[in-house]
Amino acid sequence: GAVVSQHPSRVICKSGTSVKIECRSLDFQATTMFWYRQFPKKSLMLMATSNEGSKATYEQGVEKDKFLINHASLTLSTLTVTSAHPEDSSFYICSASFFGGKRSTEAFFGQGTRLTVV
Amino acid sequence: GDSVTQMEGPVTLSEEAFLTINCTYTATGYPSLFWYVQYPGEGLQLLLKATKADDKGSNKGFEATYRKETTSFHLEKGSVQVSDSAVYFCALSDRGPGNSGYSTLTFGKGTMLLVSP
Repeated sequence: GAVVSQHPSRVICKSGTSVKIECRSLDFQATTMFWYRQFPKKSLMLMATSNEGSKATYEQGVEKDKFLINHASLTLSTLTVTSAHPEDSSFYICSASFFGGKRSTEAFFGQGTRLTVV
Repeated sequence: GDSVTQMEGPVTLSEEAFLTINCTYTATGYPSLFWYVQYPGEGLQLLLKATKADDKGSNKGFEATYRKETTSFHLEKGSVQVSDSAVYFCALSDRGPGNSGYSTLTFGKGTMLLVSP
């Protein structure tokens, strides 16, 4: 299957600083990337959807000025958590899919990033 | 809107026991259905999928059949191993907004499986 690499796998940062998480599709061109947040013992919450070269579409309740998403190329999307606070501590997961002339019905997931804000 | 309901865990089994994790869904149209597995501290891995009614997805001894009449996609395995201990997510994929060209995934809440030797 297709490979999606997410980096870093773990990050600890001080409150008030910004953290960038990268999501790369290694062997395919990802026209669409998704960012999820997973709370302990809970399911994945879709935060936003990004298409290459256009602005991300954020889900209701997700602050777009706090969670900056950039999808500058077909193989890279980044999520920047700005002015991080302890309540932003969570497991963030990206996924990528490709659109080859028909609707894609499968997404490939990165390994996830454990963010801890102290 | 779309939704996925799966049985709450944890499911605790002894090695070689039979596994069933129930999953039902509501969706408009004809979604694709998936089971993902998440090992501790890792992201999600696709376990199996089915894209139309009566399709059976299978992988690593796990199976699930797309049942349109009961809107279900139950996960089964005949003999579980300790290494199967993980969280299992049922999900459906439906079209994105408008003519976006992409599909969004809707996940169930996940079911933790614990297998003891």
